[in-house]
Amino acid sequence: KAGVTQTPRYLIKTRGQQVTLSCSPISGHRSVSWYQQTPGQGLQFLFEYFSETQRNKGNFPGRFSGRQFSNSRSEMNVSTLELGDSALYLCASSFGNSQAKETQYFGPGTRLLVL
Amino acid sequence: DAKTTQPTSMDCAEGRAANLPCNHSTISGNEYVYWYRQIHSQGPQYIIHGLKNNETNEMASLIITEDRKSSTLILPHATLRDTAVYYCIVRAFSGSARQLTFGSGTQLTVLP
Repeated sequence: KAGVTQTPRYLIKTRGQQVTLSCSPISGHRSVSWYQQTPGQGLQFLFEYFSETQRNKGNFPGRFSGRQFSNSRSEMNVSTLELGDSALYLCASSFGNSQAKETQYFGPGTRLLVL
Repeated sequence: DAKTTQPTSMDCAEGRAANLPCNHSTISGNEYVYWYRQIHSQGPQYIIHGLKNNETNEMASLIITEDRKSSTLILPHATLRDTAVYYCIVRAFSGSARQLTFGSGTQLTVLP
């Protein structure tokens, strides 16, 4: 079956702009988690959505927000972009039902460059 | 989630087995050991996970010591395409801490 897809794959923005990234989970998965990866900080958790509700949140400023739709697709938005927001943004999907063998599967990521 | 310790880098000859160690001495009884790998600038790829028994799938084998304080990921016949950063993660599923916490990982380089 199809894996996690993310669009766009690459994006260039300037400081102060906003950006919206999209993630389509694996069919049947209801949980979508977002991560930011930078060379300096590694992979950092942003938030998780399950059944259209934010279930868990990392330590990022309010400029980072997300939402999930009834078909489990998710978007994340970053407002007032800063140079430090340049990163690979990854989403991962899972069933989300907290069963012991639940595994998160990652998409290819969106590479964001802020100039 | 418990912290893991992995070597920064390892080399392996193509066609040989690659054995990647991971220490997780503070692992709790309900925490699983997960392995992911990330090829440069791509999304992490799930490899395998286990609780206390050894596990094998089409990609790799996972050997967990009896006291569960360490584990080894084995790629039986490494190829050049296995060159990647390998992350060992221990993770529980209870409570709100559902996110994955990646450490620095091991850069595996498969040499021709």
